[in-house]
Amino acid sequence: GAVVSQHPSWVICKSGTSVKIECRSLDFQATTMFWYRQFPKQSLMLMATSNEGSKATYEQGVEKDKFLINHASLTLSTLTVTSAHPEDSSFYICSEKGLAGGSNYNEQFFGPGTRLTVL
Amino acid sequence: AQSVTQLDSHVSVSEGTPVLLRCNYSSSYSPSLFWYVQHPNKGLQLLLKYTSAATLVKGINGFEAEFKKSETSFHLTKPSAHMSDAAEYFCVVSEGGTYKYIFGTGTRLKVLA
Repeated sequence: GAVVSQHPSWVICKSGTSVKIECRSLDFQATTMFWYRQFPKQSLMLMATSNEGSKATYEQGVEKDKFLINHASLTLSTLTVTSAHPEDSSFYICSEKGLAGGSNYNEQFFGPGTRLTVL
Repeated sequence: AQSVTQLDSHVSVSEGTPVLLRCNYSSSYSPSLFWYVQHPNKGLQLLLKYTSAATLVKGINGFEAEFKKSETSFHLTKPSAHMSDAAEYFCVVSEGGTYKYIFGTGTRLKVLA
C-alpha cells in the first residue's frame, strides 16, 4: 500500500492564528487526497476532497474559507486552519486514494494524523 | 445513499476468547467494504477489505470478515483475542464513483486479562 506522511504530528497554537498541516504521498503521485477531522472518541468526518490542480470539494457544513486546502503538486496537499479557535482543536487525518486501474483503486491510505490544540 | 451502522459502541472480551464486531451497511449497489483499526492517537490501519471477490475475507493479525448480502452485514471476527487488539475499530463503505469513505461510528474493543 501507499505511504502517507503528515507534518506536524502535533501543534499547539494561540487563538486567532493560522496553522498549516502538510500531507505528503511518499511513494506515488496522488491525484486525489481526502481530509478528515476526528473529535475525541468519535468517528472520522470527511471535510473535503482535494484534487491536484483544481479547487477542493468541501462537504456540507465545512467552511471553505476557514479550512483552506491546496493541492498544488501530485505529492503534497495542505490544510490551513485560518483564525483558529479552541473549537477547531481536533485530530486531522489525511488520506490518498489508490491509483486508478490498480488493485487498490478504491482504497484510501491514511496518514498518521495531526493533533491540533488551540489555546 | 450509502451508510454504515456499527451496532456496538463498546465490546469487552477476555484474552483468548473470540471477538465479534458487528457492522451492517446500506448500499444501492455492490459495495466495497473495509475494516480499519485505530490505536490511541494513531492513524488508521487497514485490517481487511471486501471488493466483490470472495465473501470470506482474511485480514491481518488473524482477523476475518464475511460479506453477507442477504443480511447486509460485514461482521469482523477473530478466534482468540490478544491484549494488543484493544483499540477502536471502524467499518467503512466506499462510495462508488467518488471513492469517498463513509465511516461507521466505531467500536471500542477492550481486552481483559
